[in-house]
Amino acid sequence: DTEVTQTPKHLVMGMTNKKSLKCEQHMGHRAMYWYKQKAKKPPELMFVYSYEKLSINESVPSRFSPECPNSSLLNLHLHALQPEDSALYLCASSQDLGTLSQETQYFGPGTRLLVL
Amino acid sequence: AQSVSQHNHHVILSEAASLELGCNYSYGGTVNLFWYVQYPGQHLQLLLKYFSGDPLVKGIKGFEAEFIKSKFSFNLRKPSVQWSDTAEYFCAVNPSRGGSTLGRLYFGRGTQLTVWP
Repeated sequence: DTEVTQTPKHLVMGMTNKKSLKCEQHMGHRAMYWYKQKAKKPPELMFVYSYEKLSINESVPSRFSPECPNSSLLNLHLHALQPEDSALYLCASSQDLGTLSQETQYFGPGTRLLVL
Repeated sequence: AQSVSQHNHHVILSEAASLELGCNYSYGGTVNLFWYVQYPGQHLQLLLKYFSGDPLVKGIKGFEAEFIKSKFSFNLRKPSVQWSDTAEYFCAVNPSRGGSTLGRLYFGRGTQLTVWP
């Protein structure tokens, strides 16, 4: 089973709202990722968690706040977003970060976010 | 700057035609290579991957890719495409040398494949 689930599938929010995206995997993976994908563009890495600790933050604005409450869950808290933040937000997971080993990232279906 | 290049932005084929999508990368040393597919309205799915060994790798749905180290290429092929292959195809590279590249998957800009029935 290589399933990563994400909720909600769609989200519409105003610029003053606070919302959260949720990602879950039950493959025992210890690395989890958030990506942002604009239409017709490749995914862009936002955050990486390894063993529930933030490993990479790609200079993402503070209005995006990740959280990894346990090894199966990854959240992305959203606050005071801008219309240009509208995109597909993808979660992925891999067995580990790939320390000189061979890792495959498995992606969830994404949350399509629209900021009004 | 190091990068992943997919030269074909949009490929249009008729059913049963052969497909080859190019992917070149500029990272030195050992790399892990991937092709992902994104069908309309769906999530990224792994088509195939190369870590080591036989440079010709076979993936799902009849796709294969060949790693040519000297050309820094990992081209995707399929002998006979179907209408259901219409999708966006992304090449991705993980430079497997640790350090700052840990966890980093670098994507090409994608190739939109349209197959006419």
